[in-house]
Amino acid sequence: ETAVFQTPNYHVTQVGNEVSFNCKQTLGHDTMYWYKQDSKKLLKIMFSYNNKQLIVNETVPRRFSPQSSDKAHLNLRIKSVEPEDSAVYLCASSPDWGTAETLYFGSGTRLTVL
Amino acid sequence: QQQVRQSPQSLTVWEGETAILNCSYEDSTFDYFPWYWQFPRESPALLIAIRPVSNKKEDGRFTIFFNKREKKLSLHITDSQPGDSATYFCAARGNTGKLIFGLGTTLQVQP
Repeated sequence: ETAVFQTPNYHVTQVGNEVSFNCKQTLGHDTMYWYKQDSKKLLKIMFSYNNKQLIVNETVPRRFSPQSSDKAHLNLRIKSVEPEDSAVYLCASSPDWGTAETLYFGSGTRLTVL
Repeated sequence: QQQVRQSPQSLTVWEGETAILNCSYEDSTFDYFPWYWQFPRESPALLIAIRPVSNKKEDGRFTIFFNKREKKLSLHITDSQPGDSATYFCAARGNTGKLIFGLGTTLQVQP
């Protein structure tokens, strides 16, 4: 049963445009994440929020910015997309940061940049 | 530099055989090792996990063997089924709390 919801499922856009992805979890978890999965299936953490506070900010281009209104929501905005941003963006949650033992992933947003 | 390495990149076995997926890591402070599986067009999901205090963890047909001294672990899938065909990711949690994933092994089980 899905408990981490992502929208949209797919997005096709052109270089230079701005895109936003939404994520909501109904598990009552404190921690949420954005992962990027590239065409080679490499899963790489981008950001993590714990109770609306940013706790992990990997080395990602500045055009990526996460936004959290409450602990159940974590959105991702990309200003001026580049071709290398084409990937699947996976949102995930875990009960808390200290014991991030199980990640619950959403279904992903597949971004294609033309 | 990949901190969690997996081999082989892809593996094909016949139905009923045992598939062995390997994983190694660099950082001796890693304290938790989950395996996630991902079916085509789906998201990763936790399959099984182990902590360094154990050298074996079993769950049905899936068993993790862990060698702390050599910093290696392996996932054994006995009596492989076509429905086991997926990409398997080994991951490790460091003292920063982050889960670091390997590049995955794509398993194909032929009927």
